[in-house]
Amino acid sequence: AQSVTQLDSHVSVSEGTPVLLRCNYSSSYSPSLFWYVQHPNKGLQLLLKYTSAATLVKGINGFEAEFKKSETSFHLTKPSAHMSDAAEYFCVVIIEGSGNTGKLIFGQGTTLQVKP
Amino acid sequence: DAGVIQSPRHEVTEMGQEVTLRCKPISGHNSLFWYRQTMMRGLELLIYFNNNVPIDDSGMPEDRFSAKMPNASFSTLKIQPSEPRDSAVYFCASSSSVRRETQYFGPGTRLLVL
Repeated sequence: AQSVTQLDSHVSVSEGTPVLLRCNYSSSYSPSLFWYVQHPNKGLQLLLKYTSAATLVKGINGFEAEFKKSETSFHLTKPSAHMSDAAEYFCVVIIEGSGNTGKLIFGQGTTLQVKP
Repeated sequence: DAGVIQSPRHEVTEMGQEVTLRCKPISGHNSLFWYRQTMMRGLELLIYFNNNVPIDDSGMPEDRFSAKMPNASFSTLKIQPSEPRDSAVYFCASSSSVRRETQYFGPGTRLLVL
């Protein structure tokens, strides 16, 4: 069965410093992995997705993630944090089956705090 | 495009009352998903529809919950009777059939059952 584990429930960085949000996955298949972001009192928005093409995936707002099969990881990074990056981030895996089911499994989320 | 529209944005009700949450997906999307978000359980998929047909309702917690999609532009999630443990944020999301993994979320309905 597919699953994701976000290793940190809360990450705090200073504005202008790098961001690292960690995610490990478990999957019997070659997984499709995603990062979604949720700003306070808002719905979720897709940041980026990995679907077995390039292992380094670039997303919106300067975020990127690298798929590492040997480490079963899909960590999210950004070189320089901005105050507007403060939000909840979810690592997500899609349940594979007959065809693209669209059933997403969400991690528990990582709250990113950005200090001035 | 207005995005996914949910109503109401906030709902406060008393235990035992019926609650109906509404969702209008993005025009042209033919997959629709209902999620529930709580501190304890995180984000859970309740049910999803494809072309107005319920495909998987294994996430629906119990018979008190029901969902319908009478047409491509409207869906409801009903709780009857409501209980305090149903208090949560309920999200609706839609996607195209080609890119079901790319889901567009509504702003959510924050439900409080007293």
